[in-house]
Amino acid sequence: DTGVSQDPRHKITKRGQNVTFRCDPISEHNRLYWYRQTLGQGPEFLTYFQNEAQLEKSRLLSDRFSAERPKGSFSTLEIQRTEQGDSAMYLCATIGVGGVEAFFGQGTRLTVV
Amino acid sequence: GQQLNQSPQSMFIQEGEDVSMNCTSSSIFNTWLWYKQDPGEGPVLLIALYKAGELTSNGRLTAQFGITRKDSFLNISASIPSDVGIYFCAGQLRNTDKLIFGTGTRLQVFP
Repeated sequence: DTGVSQDPRHKITKRGQNVTFRCDPISEHNRLYWYRQTLGQGPEFLTYFQNEAQLEKSRLLSDRFSAERPKGSFSTLEIQRTEQGDSAMYLCATIGVGGVEAFFGQGTRLTVV
Repeated sequence: GQQLNQSPQSMFIQEGEDVSMNCTSSSIFNTWLWYKQDPGEGPVLLIALYKAGELTSNGRLTAQFGITRKDSFLNISASIPSDVGIYFCAGQLRNTDKLIFGTGTRLQVFP
């Protein structure tokens, strides 16, 4: 499968724990985006990378959130000291060089209990 | 976070009927995209629009990029049960690489 891959698909964690999600992009897609989606809402932009450079971060991304894309390929999104309000679907999308079409992974559903 | 105005919020239609939904904004967009999302899955790209006034079809789906660059609509003709899902518009603002999403239209199709 050559689509965007996210891992894990589901994560249940206790409040206060740290979690890390991974996104593997479509090969050679240089732009990678993280979105958060809560029930009944559209995806909300969190941050994006062009190659390994993180170019923009939303105000939604508190200091408990950090994202990396160390070699310009896969990316990780870490949430420290999780809170119940962090429960959501976390989506990764990638765009190829010169393109505008974003292709999404299947998402990671986080539940904080 | 910023989201586009999408309407209607939900639709309940009979199989075979046509469907229309739209997305509006106060900002100008360079690109409009339409996605469909099934429960528990990521959005799947349906149609991409690249310039004002463009009308594009993909099977039973037709979408248009508004002439003012501030709106877009999606039509689905002769709906079938597998059209059930949530449809999102997404726009790319000028001078930015990020996509802003609409609030979604939930479509239910009854046999």
